[in-house]
Amino acid sequence: AQSVTQPDIHITVSEGASLELRCNYSYGATPYLFWYVQSPGQGLQLLLKYFSGDTLVQGIKGFEAEFKRSQSSFNLRKPSVHWSDAAEYFCAVGLIYGGSQGNLIFGKGTKLSVKP
Amino acid sequence: EAQVTQNPRYLITVTGKKLTVTCSQNMNHEYMSWYRQDPGLGLRQIYYSMNVEVTDKGDVPEGYKVSRKEKRNFPLILESPSPNQTSLYFCASSPRWPKQETQYFGPGTRLLVL
Repeated sequence: AQSVTQPDIHITVSEGASLELRCNYSYGATPYLFWYVQSPGQGLQLLLKYFSGDTLVQGIKGFEAEFKRSQSSFNLRKPSVHWSDAAEYFCAVGLIYGGSQGNLIFGKGTKLSVKP
Repeated sequence: EAQVTQNPRYLITVTGKKLTVTCSQNMNHEYMSWYRQDPGLGLRQIYYSMNVEVTDKGDVPEGYKVSRKEKRNFPLILESPSPNQTSLYFCASSPRWPKQETQYFGPGTRLLVL
């Protein structure tokens, strides 16, 4: 069955430090890949997406993600974290063929805390 | 303003009392979807609709119904709510699935079933 794994439930980084949030998926083909961010009490905001082409994707707020087919991964990175980045981050996989087209599967999320 | 609206935003109800959560988008989007969010479980897709009169089950459809009679509206129906349906619900829409597009999320509906 298709699945998305975010192995880190909670990560704490210092402001100004670099960040990498991990995401692995299980699917029989290369799916559509997304990263969303949710601030406390808010809805979801799309950070970036990958459908095809260049495997390094740039998003909003200085985030980027790299798709690695061999590792079935789509890790999110930011070179220098700001206190306002504290939020919960969700990786999501969009299924692309068969009767499951339209199905979007989310990981369980990684909560990011930022130390001053 | 382009947006996805949900009503109500907050709802407390009792077991077995039928309820409907409405979702409406003003962007002429073909694709709409419902999710529930629970602590530690992330978001799980309940139902989605690729277009008018076309709906499909997501990962957790049990206990829910949907309909898509017109493009702008995608209501979520709980015929007989139970406490395990207490959750935060999000509706989302997209121009189409999913070529070069993304989803716009509504503000969420927090439901408590007693």
